[in-house]
Amino acid sequence: SQTIHQWPATLVQPVGSPLSLECTVEGTSNPNLYWYRQAAGRGLQLLFYSVGIGQISSEVPQNLSASRPQDRQFILSSKKLLLSDSGFYLCAWNHAELGEQYFGPGTRLTVT
Amino acid sequence: GENVEQHPSTLSVQEGDSAVIKCTYSDSASNYFPWYKQELGKRPQLIIDIRSNVGEKKDQRIAVTLNKTAKHFSLHITETQPEDSAVYFCAASAPNSGYALNFGKGTSLLVTP
Repeated sequence: SQTIHQWPATLVQPVGSPLSLECTVEGTSNPNLYWYRQAAGRGLQLLFYSVGIGQISSEVPQNLSASRPQDRQFILSSKKLLLSDSGFYLCAWNHAELGEQYFGPGTRLTVT
Repeated sequence: GENVEQHPSTLSVQEGDSAVIKCTYSDSASNYFPWYKQELGKRPQLIIDIRSNVGEKKDQRIAVTLNKTAKHFSLHITETQPEDSAVYFCAASAPNSGYALNFGKGTSLLVTP
């Protein structure tokens, strides 16, 4: 069966510091991968999606970037965090045509 | 891009009553419509979904209906139980955007005993 991992689970970072969040999927190949962010008490905002290695589509212009160095690995990065980057970061995967999208356990980021 | 509207934002029902949450979407290319349940502090869990070639789908106490012409879809929960209390999100996705999900803003459902 497929499993999706995210780490770290929680993170507290000062404003201006860099960020790297990692997501990996096991038990499948060539998945579509997604990063979403959920601000406290709010809905889910799509940040990036990838349909293959090295292919990244950005939905919201901001100080975040994403990379997909391997088929089942998706990384979210920032060079300098802002207070507004605080939130719950969720990675998700699916297979095109099948539709069903499943979320990882998430990383709760607090920027201080 | 796709815009998904969800109503109501909060819903309170008594145990055993039915709950209905409604969503509309704007992009006619959207063809997949999932619903997620999110409990406090946890990841969203897929509870039911519907594709554009189907008008209704049911899974035990949960059902979803889709009206493609009007571009709206709804979640129906019957015989609600306290454990149904959570935030529910609707979403829409299209093949031309990698099936990325565009979410509604969520409905906080409270089921009181």
